[in-house]
Amino acid sequence: DTGVSQDPRHKITKRGQNVTFRCDPISEHNRLYWYRQTLGQGPEFLTYFQNEAQLEKSRLLSDRFSAERPKGSFSTLEIQRTEQGDSAMYLCASSGTGGRSTDTQYFGPGTRLTVL
Amino acid sequence: GESVGLHLPTLSVQEGDNSIINCAYSNSASDYFIWYKQESGKGPQFIIDIRSNMDKRQGQRVTVLLNKTVKHLSLQIAATQPGDSAVYFCAENIGQGKLIFGQGTELSVKP
Repeated sequence: DTGVSQDPRHKITKRGQNVTFRCDPISEHNRLYWYRQTLGQGPEFLTYFQNEAQLEKSRLLSDRFSAERPKGSFSTLEIQRTEQGDSAMYLCASSGTGGRSTDTQYFGPGTRLTVL
Repeated sequence: GESVGLHLPTLSVQEGDNSIINCAYSNSASDYFIWYKQESGKGPQFIIDIRSNMDKRQGQRVTVLLNKTVKHLSLQIAATQPGDSAVYFCAENIGQGKLIFGQGTELSVKP
């Protein structure tokens, strides 16, 4: 399977705990995006990387959230001191060998986070 | 603020009929629009896209129409099948690949 993969698929945690999600993009895709999706809503942009550089962060990304893409391949999204409001599906997408902003974004299956 | 919205939250059609899902957007500067299909428990799946220099684009059983004058986007699905049942999202690229998604329309296909 050469699509975008995410791990884990499901995560249940207690409020206050830290969680980390991983995204493996399509091979050789330069851009990697993180989105958050709550029930009944469309995905909301969180942040994106061009290779290893994080180029933009949404206001939705509070100080408790941090994302990395150290080698320009896989990326991690960490949430510290989780809150119940963080419960959502976290989606990763990748695009483009050309690095154009209009390259098609292909999404992974998502990580569903439940904070108790 | 900038927003992308859908006129209808749900759409129910008979198998074999054509489906039309509509979307309104508000950012005149958006130059790229995409339709995604999302099945329960899965990530959004790319269906078709259109750039702002076009007003129509056809794929396999799907057609996207773009009306920049009224900032309206539609997805037409021909001969709708049960496998088309899902939530459909339109999205606009407001720059640097940042996509703004609409709320979604749930398409239900009756056999």
